[in-house]
Amino acid sequence: GENVEQHPSTLSVQEGDSAVIKCTYSDSASNYFPWYKQELGKRPQLIIDIRSNVGEKKDQRIAVTLNKTAKHFSLHITETQPEDSAVYFCAASEEQLTFGSGTQLTVLP
Amino acid sequence: DAGITQSPRYKITETGRQVTLMCHQTWSHSYMFWYRQDLGHGLRLIYYSAAADITDKGEVSDGYVVSRSKTENFPLTLESATRSQTSVYFCASSRHGTGSDQPQHFGDGTRLSIL
Repeated sequence: GENVEQHPSTLSVQEGDSAVIKCTYSDSASNYFPWYKQELGKRPQLIIDIRSNVGEKKDQRIAVTLNKTAKHFSLHITETQPEDSAVYFCAASEEQLTFGSGTQLTVLP
Repeated sequence: DAGITQSPRYKITETGRQVTLMCHQTWSHSYMFWYRQDLGHGLRLIYYSAAADITDKGEVSDGYVVSRSKTENFPLTLESATRSQTSVYFCASSRHGTGSDQPQHFGDGTRLSIL
């Protein structure tokens, strides 16, 4: 089955700096890669996703890049704000979603 | 998103008891999912359902049972709860299949503690 590894497990950045979270996947058949944000005690919420026929996607301060050859994808958050502090999960899907173990992002004011 | 609701939000029970977690969605989504979330493991799929009366196992299905007699409901039952099943359980739904780039929408979760 699919295996998704996510790094780093924790990340602290200064407000206004950029944050990058990286994930690798094992199944070359995976074709859909969503990213979820989960605030403490809340539900995971989709923030951006990318399909395997696209190399990059951007939505305001958030971007995702995909390298199919290397089987890795990354989340980029620019101009970070305190409200970006949360746990971020990547996932990969061919049949079912397989999630990474999460990254606790802390944006320091 | 009020379209998917889980109940109860919190539950404490004892080992060996049967407990059922409820999930209800109002979007008429075909697919529904149950995940458990444990520290260090992210979200792991327990069971999913493609339509009423169609269910399939996920990565961690042992000790769990599901049913889906109606499209909108997808209850998860722990037939004989064990302490290792203490977790936060999330239900999710999506319009189409899991691999077809249809986003999954999650409920608020049920925090289950088994003593």
